[in-house]
Amino acid sequence: EPEVTQTPSHQVTQMGQEVILRCVPISNHLYFYWYRQILGQKVEFLVSFYNNEISEKSEIFDDQFSVERPDGSNFTLKIRSTKLEDSAMYFCASSENPRSGDGYTFGSGTRLTVV
Amino acid sequence: QKEVEQDPGPLSVPEGAIVSLNCTYSNSAFQYFMWYRQYSRKGPELLMYTYSSGNKEDGRFTAQVDKSSKYISLFIRDSQPSDSATYLCAISGGSNYKLTFGKGTLLTVNP
Repeated sequence: EPEVTQTPSHQVTQMGQEVILRCVPISNHLYFYWYRQILGQKVEFLVSFYNNEISEKSEIFDDQFSVERPDGSNFTLKIRSTKLEDSAMYFCASSENPRSGDGYTFGSGTRLTVV
Repeated sequence: QKEVEQDPGPLSVPEGAIVSLNCTYSNSAFQYFMWYRQYSRKGPELLMYTYSSGNKEDGRFTAQVDKSSKYISLFIRDSQPSDSATYLCAISGGSNYKLTFGKGTLLTVNP
């Protein structure tokens, strides 16, 4: 069964450093998303990406964050100047057609720890 | 009012029990209703997807949507220890179909 692959599975970084979280969506999917989940809290929407551009972003997704699809297969989330409160699980999701019965496929996540 | 509300539990049941999980939502523009299962430190895994009021059945799982009451449910029959996980309701709609999640209900099925 096709999978969304995320790397790394766990990243520890010092406050103020930049991190890049990587995702390989399912190959025929056109809609891409990043979500995050702070420990003990809801899964929260960060950003959606379609047709090589951001289609919607949440208020969490400020200038500290950026997304890119650098080579047609990878989908990255960059966090500049990380803060302690950025510590969370970050999930990438993709969908061929979000109105279809297949919904969204999530990756296993990257656990980001900012120290 | 929060967009999606879900009782976080925890819920503990004996093996073989029928489990009922519920969410309410506030925005009538939501069109698509999903249930995800999440094991510890893993990504959400889609269990059920529906877009209309009524019931949808898949094996031991039944998803129920009542749009007039803005209420969705997931029923698990003959629950198994392997069903122990966090169950997330998720709802989408609008132009980008982003998901809005409930907080999740932690379920433990005891052998």
